[in-house]
Amino acid sequence: DIQMTQSPSSLSASVGDRVTITCRASQNIRRYLNWYQQKPGKAPKLLIYAVSTLQNGVPSRFSGTESGADFTLTINSLQPEDIATYYCQQSNITPWTFGQGTKVEIK
Amino acid sequence: QVQLQESGPGLVKPSQTLSLTCSVSGGSIRSGSYYWSWIRQPAGKGLEWIGRMYSSGSTSYNPSLESRATISGDTSKNQFSLKVTAVTAADTAVYYCVREDNGGDWFDPWGQGTLVTVSS
Repeated sequence: DIQMTQSPSSLSASVGDRVTITCRASQNIRRYLNWYQQKPGKAPKLLIYAVSTLQNGVPSRFSGTESGADFTLTINSLQPEDIATYYCQQSNITPWTFGQGTKVEIK
Repeated sequence: QVQLQESGPGLVKPSQTLSLTCSVSGGSIRSGSYYWSWIRQPAGKGLEWIGRMYSSGSTSYNPSLESRATISGDTSKNQFSLKVTAVTAADTAVYYCVREDNGGDWFDPWGQGTLVTVSS
């Protein structure tokens, strides 16, 4: 199975800060990388698919990029409603696998 | 707008079979544009893809479940189901039914999830 490693596991930032979460795959996944947001007690929600395409309705402060083997989710200007755990997911080779999650908190 | 809703027993005894149903509204499980998947999440842990079905009835599973999972559909009711046999405490989790894009294989939307506890 493809292992997805996220970093950091958790972070604390202030409102208005720029937040960056990184995901690395154990093998080449081309551009089959998706990001989800899960708020406490809720189901995950698709944020970004195919590395950088924002799902409809997702605020433009969220963005996704890739650089070599690393994929990055950026939140420009963190807002209180962004408090959540974020997961990456590879959809290149089954079984589809997720990163372990990054918990984002407000400082 | 497609909506998914899981239903089924919240408590299952060890060694028995877990059975869940997902009711789909606002869209058809016969659509060739999507797969219909199950994902689970143990409390405080990450997400594990269980498997999926296609409109043709074809299925694909995560080998981690060691052939214990079966996904099937009922087009007359626009529902799809999950069965996991020989459950243990390790199968205790919130189970989500989700729609999976046929092509990019991302998951959207998700059901609200249902907690299944395996305990005697």
